[in-house]
This record gives sequence, structure tokens and C-alpha cells, in this order.
Amino acid sequence: AQRVTQPEKLLSVFKGAPVELKCNYSYSGSPELFWYVQYSRQRLQLLLRHISRESIKGFTADLNKGETSFHLKKPFAQEEDSAMYYCALSRPGGSEKLVFGKGTKLTVNP
Amino acid sequence: DVKVTQSSRYLVKRTGEKVFLECVQDMDHENMFWYRQDPGLGLRLIYFSYDVKMKEKGDIPEGYSVSREKKERFSLILESASTNQTSMYLCATRLAGTDTQYFGPGTRLTVL
Repeated sequence: AQRVTQPEKLLSVFKGAPVELKCNYSYSGSPELFWYVQYSRQRLQLLLRHISRESIKGFTADLNKGETSFHLKKPFAQEEDSAMYYCALSRPGGSEKLVFGKGTKLTVNP
Repeated sequence: DVKVTQSSRYLVKRTGEKVFLECVQDMDHENMFWYRQDPGLGLRLIYFSYDVKMKEKGDIPEGYSVSREKKERFSLILESASTNQTSMYLCATRLAGTDTQYFGPGTRLTVL
């Protein structure tokens, strides 16, 4: 069964500190993985996808198939990074449903 | 720019009422989804639709039904609302063959 685990419900860091939001998945194959973000009073939106190997707003995420992880990292957190972050997984193919983790609320303190 | 709108931002209903949540998109996307978002539980898929008149159950379809008569509109129906259906409901759309879902602003439903 496909499953996404985000072990931290809440994560609090200070501005300028590194931040890592953890995501582990369970899937027997090569999944597609995503991070979605929801800022306060805004709609949920895609932050990044593993397949494009891009950096968005200073965030990166590397797929580690050996550890079945897709952790989201940023070397220097900013206050505007405070938001709810969801890791999500789908089977490859572009027309599959997403399975979301339970989310991590990140707070970046001044 | 994808525009996904939901009929109400806040809705208060009584137990036993029939409730309609509407989602409309203007980008001709084939795929549409309904999720509920609860603290500590994340997003859970209720129903989705790959195209007009097509629907498939998600992970938590009990107590819900859907309707997709036109491509741009996907309705979520609570046949007889119950207090455990108090939640934030999110609609999303996706162009077929792509991987990005676009979300609406959400409807916060309270069932008293």
C-alpha cells in the first residue's frame, strides 16, 4: 500500500537556521514525489517535484530510494517560510491520484 | 493562470441536511478531486473524476456522493450531514497527463 509519513506535526526554527522537513514513503516501485505548501490564508500549492530536481524559494528535496525518503531542506530559513507543508506521492504516469502525508507545520521565529 | 473557485468560503448546516459543495474551474482540466483537510490527519481523498460523468471513490467516500455533469463543475454532496463531517473541504483540478494539482480556496463546513 502507498503511504506517506511525516513524523513531525510541528517544527519550529529561528530565522537563518537550517530547516529539514522529513518525509518517508512506502511504495513498491519508483514513485513520483511532491511537496505542497499552504501559507496562512492562501490555497494549497505545489512547491516542488522530485522529477524536476529544482530549487524553489531556496528549498530542495532529494529522493533517497534506499531510505525511501524525500526530505525538504533549506539552508537558511526565513520568516515567510512559515506554513503547512505536505509531502505527497503518486504512481508514475501523470494521471494517478496523490497520497498525502499528514503535514508538518513549520514556524520560523524572528 | 488556473482559476479554481468554490461556492462558499464558510458554511453552517444542521445535522440531517443535504449539503451541496460546488467547485468550478476555468482551465478545461479533465481531472477534478475533492479532499477533506483535518488537523493531524492531513488531506484525505473523498472522490475524484477523470472526466465528465466519470467518478471514482477515494479513500473516504462514505457519507458523500459527487456529480460531474459538465467539465468545469464538480459537486460534492453530503446526503445527510453529520457532525463528523465538520471539516475543511478542498477541491483540486489537474490537466490530464500532467502531475500538478491546482487547489481551490476551500470551504469550511460546520455541521451543528
